[in-house]
Amino acid sequence: DADVTQTPRNRITKTGKRIMLECSQTKGHDRMYWYRQDPGLGLQLIYYSFDVKDINKGEISDGYSVSRQAQAKFSLSLESAIPNQTALYFCATSEQGRETQYFGPGTRLLVL
Amino acid sequence: DAKTTQPPSMDCAEGRAANLPCNHSTISGNEYVYWYRQIHSQGPQYIIHGLKNNETNEMASLIITEDRKSSTLILPHATLRDTAVYYCIVRAVRGSGNTGKLIFGQGTTLQVKP
Repeated sequence: DADVTQTPRNRITKTGKRIMLECSQTKGHDRMYWYRQDPGLGLQLIYYSFDVKDINKGEISDGYSVSRQAQAKFSLSLESAIPNQTALYFCATSEQGRETQYFGPGTRLLVL
Repeated sequence: DAKTTQPPSMDCAEGRAANLPCNHSTISGNEYVYWYRQIHSQGPQYIIHGLKNNETNEMASLIITEDRKSSTLILPHATLRDTAVYYCIVRAVRGSGNTGKLIFGQGTTLQVKP
C-alpha cells in the first residue's frame, strides 16, 4: 500500500463550487504539505503543517484553506473554485529534522 | 537556499549510464544537495542527497565536487522507466525560518531511448 494517498485522483468541478482534496499518510511523519503544479512549471507551496496545531500559509494560499484533522490527515479546500485553480495538486510529508519529502500520486483538478 | 542550474534536456541510451549535471556555485556550507525526479504527472520522487561526500544508494550515485559548486547524478544503467524530469535542489537543514518548502526549478528532462 502507498505511504501517501490522495483522494480523489481526478476531479472536475464548476466555478463557484466548494471542493475538498484529502491526503492521508501512514509514514508517521509530523509534517505535511500541499503543493500545486501548473503545466510545465515547478511546484508551488500552498500550505504546510508541522504538527496538528501548527498550520502555515505558503506562497500561494489565497483561495485555499486547510485542515489537519489528525497527524495522518491533511485536507485542502477550495471554498469557491475558479478556473485558474485548474492544476495538479500534490500532498507531501516529511519527518521532523529530516528534509526528505515524500509525495502522494497527485490530484488532477479541472475547474470549468 | 542556493540557486541551481541544470541543462534543460538530455538523452541517454537504454542500458548506458546517465550523468546529469547540476551547478550550484553559491552553495553555503550548511546546504545539502538533493535530487528528486518526476515521472510524467506523478508525484516527485526522492532519489538521493549529500553534503560533501559522494553518496550511493539503490537508485543512483551522487558525485559532489571538492569545492561543492557542482554535482552529478549518475543512473548507472538507465532504463526506459527512468525517463523523467530530474530536479537538483539545494537547501539547508534546520535553518531558521525554514518552511520545508522545496524549490523545484525547471530541472532536466531525461529521455532514455531504446
